[in-house]
Formats: sequence, structure tokens, C-alpha cells
Amino acid sequence: DQQVKQNSPSLSVQEGRISILNCDYTNSMFDYFLWYKKYPAEGPTFLISISSIKDKNEDGRFTVFLNKSAKHLSLHIVPSQPGDSAVYFCAASAYGNQFYFGTGTSLTVIP
Amino acid sequence: DTAVSQTPKYLVTQMGNDKSIKCEQNLGHDTMYWYKQDSKKFLKIMFSYNNKELIINETVPNRFSPKSPDKAHLNLHINSLELGDSAVYFCASSNREGRAFFGQGTRLTVV
Repeated sequence: DQQVKQNSPSLSVQEGRISILNCDYTNSMFDYFLWYKKYPAEGPTFLISISSIKDKNEDGRFTVFLNKSAKHLSLHIVPSQPGDSAVYFCAASAYGNQFYFGTGTSLTVIP
Repeated sequence: DTAVSQTPKYLVTQMGNDKSIKCEQNLGHDTMYWYKQDSKKFLKIMFSYNNKELIINETVPNRFSPKSPDKAHLNLHINSLELGDSAVYFCASSNREGRAFFGQGTRLTVV
């Protein structure tokens, strides 16, 4: 039973444009959401997070939006850069317990 | 300085063997995890340890056993390896903010 889903396995975006990665979850107990970036042959690295008490968190070019009623969050990258090309994982946790990950979205930013 | 390090990075072994993967974190985190990334790239929690006590154990075969000699280490022992155990295994630790930090992964290939 997959509690965190990323329905788009891949996404291609032109350099300079906005990248929007989506994530859905089913467990209403989740109160903390994270995005991780993963390059080949490396472990996932933390990118940005959001608590369930917020609906938006911004860090430079990265913004995460949370819609609790829809159980949906998204990651916006603007402007997209070729170095952003990687696999992005959405993750969620409840009360600081284990993290549940989505299956990832492979982002390709075309120069 | 590597925050979460795991060894070896690559492991090729025959079916039926017993092997171990080591993990160490120098972040002072209380909770450590083992994740398995299968061929479908899905990151699935296997174990988590908090202050040397197992707090979550998903439906993982008992051939897999985590061993934590101290708070900074969480090793993964696998007995009687099977072909289906081939995957990338990630160690992680998390801080009180709920942010997880990952090792670089161990690619296990069972032949």
C-alpha cells in the first residue's frame, strides 16, 4: 500500500522555465513533507520541507506548496537549470516517525 | 566530512551467502534507518532504530537483521541471500526536525 505517490515518472522542461513536480498522499496523519533530490549513484539529499501547518515554503528557486484538503503537494523550481536534472522524491512522515517515499520523478532540464 | 557513510558501495555475492553492510553517522542523530530501493526505484523503509531500540520493523524477511552497537552505527546483516535481495540499500539518520540524511547507497547484486 503506497501512501505517497508521484504519478509522473519523468518530466522535461526547457532551461529558464518553471518545473512543477507533483505528489499525492493518502494518510491524513502525515504532518511533515519533504522533497529530496537524487543524482545517479548517490543517496537522496534533502531539498526543502513543509510542515502541515503551512501551505507554502520557499527557499530560493524552490517552493513547495501543500494542499491538505486535496492531500497534494507540489515542488516548483523556477527558473529551472540544467543542474536541476535529477530524480526528485517526495516524502512524508507522521509525528517524526518513519518517512514514506514516492517513486520519484526524473526531471530533465534541457539547455 | 561525510555525514552518513555506508560501506561497501558495491557488493556482489552468491546466493546463500551471508553479508553485512555497515552504516555510520556523525551527526549525533538519535534515529537511523535502512531503506531498500528496488528495481522500480521505490524507496521502502526496512528498519528504524531510535536510541538503540528497534521501533519500526516493516514486513521484512527475518533473514535481514539490523544491529546497532551504538547510537552512531546501524549495520544491516543479511543471511542466506536470495536473488530478489538485489537492490540498492540506503542508510539514513534523522534529526529532531524530522529531516533525514542519507548515505550514498550500497548496490547489492546477488548472483
